[in-house]
Amino acid sequence: DAGVTQSPTHLIKTRGQQVTLRCSPISGHKSVSWYQQVLGQGPQFIFQYYEKEERGRGNFPDRFSARQFPNYSSELNVNALLLGDSALYLCASRPGTGGVYNEQFFGPGTRLTVL
Amino acid sequence: GENVEQHPSTLSVQEGDSAVIKCTYSDSASNYFPWYKQELGKGPQLIIDIRSNVGEKKDQRIAVTLNKTAKHFSLHITETQPEDSAVYFCAASRGSNYQLIWGAGTKLIIKP
Repeated sequence: DAGVTQSPTHLIKTRGQQVTLRCSPISGHKSVSWYQQVLGQGPQFIFQYYEKEERGRGNFPDRFSARQFPNYSSELNVNALLLGDSALYLCASRPGTGGVYNEQFFGPGTRLTVL
Repeated sequence: GENVEQHPSTLSVQEGDSAVIKCTYSDSASNYFPWYKQELGKGPQLIIDIRSNVGEKKDQRIAVTLNKTAKHFSLHITETQPEDSAVYFCAASRGSNYQLIWGAGTKLIIKP
């Protein structure tokens, strides 16, 4: 079975531009979360979606937004890019809600560089 | 909010020896504690996890222990091998909140 897939793999943008990152969860998984991982640090939670609804938001500015589609894939959008947005953006999928479904499975990430 | 601290930041061990990585958390309501392995250029890979109703869990050469009273949990890797070299992250989450709060990571180096 295919794991979590993300596109693109790498992306270079300039300050002020906008970017859209895409994620396809593991087949059958209904929940997607997004994390930002700055080089040398642990991932920071950005968003969680379940059944197309936002279920959680981390401490990120409104320039960050996301959505989940009926097929459970997801997009993360970042507007007005800043140099500090340069990071590895990770998508994780999870089967659904419920106590036995905590496990999150990560994709390879999208490396965003802002110049 | 939850805060997870991880030590050491770098750990170098001889091949075949054991490695131990420790994490502490601040939110007593946290009840799920996964460990992830991240290799260069890849996303984190879940290697083992433990829930707060369990004190210890083993999977071949890997084990995790949890002390709820002291609010700390540890990863133990025995008989280390070169392929164990990677960055290891601990994390915590609670209840219906599935947001993972991560430690800063430990770079594990296995010396031949």
